[in-house]
Amino acid sequence: EVQLVESGGGLVQPGGSLRLSCATSGFTFSNSWMSWVRQGPGKGLEWLANIKEDGSVKNYVDSVKGRFTISRDNAKNSLYLQMNSLRVEDTAVYYCARDPTWGAHDYWGQGTLVTVSS
Amino acid sequence: QTVVTQEPSLTVSPGGTVTLTCASSTGAVTSGSYPNWFQQKPGQAPRALIYSTSNKHSWTPARFSGSLLGGKAALTLSDVQPEDEAEYYCLLHQGNAYVFGSGTKVTVL
Repeated sequence: EVQLVESGGGLVQPGGSLRLSCATSGFTFSNSWMSWVRQGPGKGLEWLANIKEDGSVKNYVDSVKGRFTISRDNAKNSLYLQMNSLRVEDTAVYYCARDPTWGAHDYWGQGTLVTVSS
Repeated sequence: QTVVTQEPSLTVSPGGTVTLTCASSTGAVTSGSYPNWFQQKPGQAPRALIYSTSNKHSWTPARFSGSLLGGKAALTLSDVQPEDEAEYYCLLHQGNAYVFGSGTKVTVL
């Protein structure tokens, strides 16, 4: 059974940092592109970033470039999102998802809530 | 930044058919945008329905189909069931990134 489990969310002050993790199982993680997607309260989905199987290619949406960094550890079957310089508007549920081909995003985690507030 | 637009809301009767569309501010949506479709119900993570325009995942009900229609990506729900009431999002490949559509709330009434 494919499983993705996000963790690391919580309350952080504006300007602060947080590192999200996504632990995976049930598929060959090292053969999969992976993505982070978020959803603000009452809002739609926003694709944030993805990373190639070997970590050699990373892409980001403009709104998080320079502040967020996606990474992975294939030995631990885990995906990460380092979030720096957090803003109130970064408040959202953050999902990790597997992307087997061109945005298919077939499996998703349950999400982890990040709240940026003073 | 590319803007991807969907109908805000649509209402359909049980057993009926409804088509949702997905338009890009950069021009016509083509197969090269690899249109994907997702369903999301309140309090749940999104569920993938369609990838690369018209391909179904193993769990996608047969009543869901994807296509290109008049320069847009389209998702057609046939023989709509009450459990199809949900928010639906398209996702397009743009450059080196992806952009979600604004979402369509489908009400079954």
